[in-house]
Amino acid sequence: ETGVTQSPTHLIKTRGQQVTLRCSSQSGHNTVSWYQQALGQGPQFIFQYYREEENGRGNFPPRFSGLQFPNYSSELNVNALELDDSALYLCASSLGPDPQYFGPGTRLTVT
Amino acid sequence: QQQVKQSPQSLIVQKGGISIINCAYENTAFDYFPWYQQFPGKGPALLIAIRPDVSEKKEGRFTISFNKSAKQFSLHIMDSQPGDSATYFCAASMGEYGNKLVFGAGTILRVKS
Repeated sequence: ETGVTQSPTHLIKTRGQQVTLRCSSQSGHNTVSWYQQALGQGPQFIFQYYREEENGRGNFPPRFSGLQFPNYSSELNVNALELDDSALYLCASSLGPDPQYFGPGTRLTVT
Repeated sequence: QQQVKQSPQSLIVQKGGISIINCAYENTAFDYFPWYQQFPGKGPALLIAIRPDVSEKKEGRFTISFNKSAKQFSLHIMDSQPGDSATYFCAASMGEYGNKLVFGAGTILRVKS
């Protein structure tokens, strides 16, 4: 059984640019959630996708958007990057709402 | 009401000792309480989770104690080992689609050998 995978591992972008992060869910899981984890803090919920529909959103602006594909993999897109967007972006998959299993994350640095 | 408060911020325990981390919540609609372990540069790994219909759950050296009336839950790590040195997060959710995991701020555990 393959766990949650994310790509890329690390990414450096310039303020104002756009970025796309990718996540492959664990085999058999139909729900993907995205979290942002700033250094030294707990993860913060961005949004959740279930069967290709956004199904819950945290307190993040519209420049954070996402997609879920028919194979349940997912993308997180962030437009107009700001310095404060520098963080570890985590994807979690689940069959149903819980339990959620996290991938290794993508470390995004905005300069 | 969506917050989960975690303490202590950091903890040093001798090898073989018991590590105890506490969390408190306000929202009585929360009905799922997991604990995650995170090593530097890695994603959080699910350790153990509990629902409010039981007061305690044990898996190996890890035990969750749950006090519904006090709205508190805690993680006990028995026979703590240096390999347990990591950051631990408690979390809570309402167990429905579209509901987020709300995380505590984390506890940095160091087990001294």
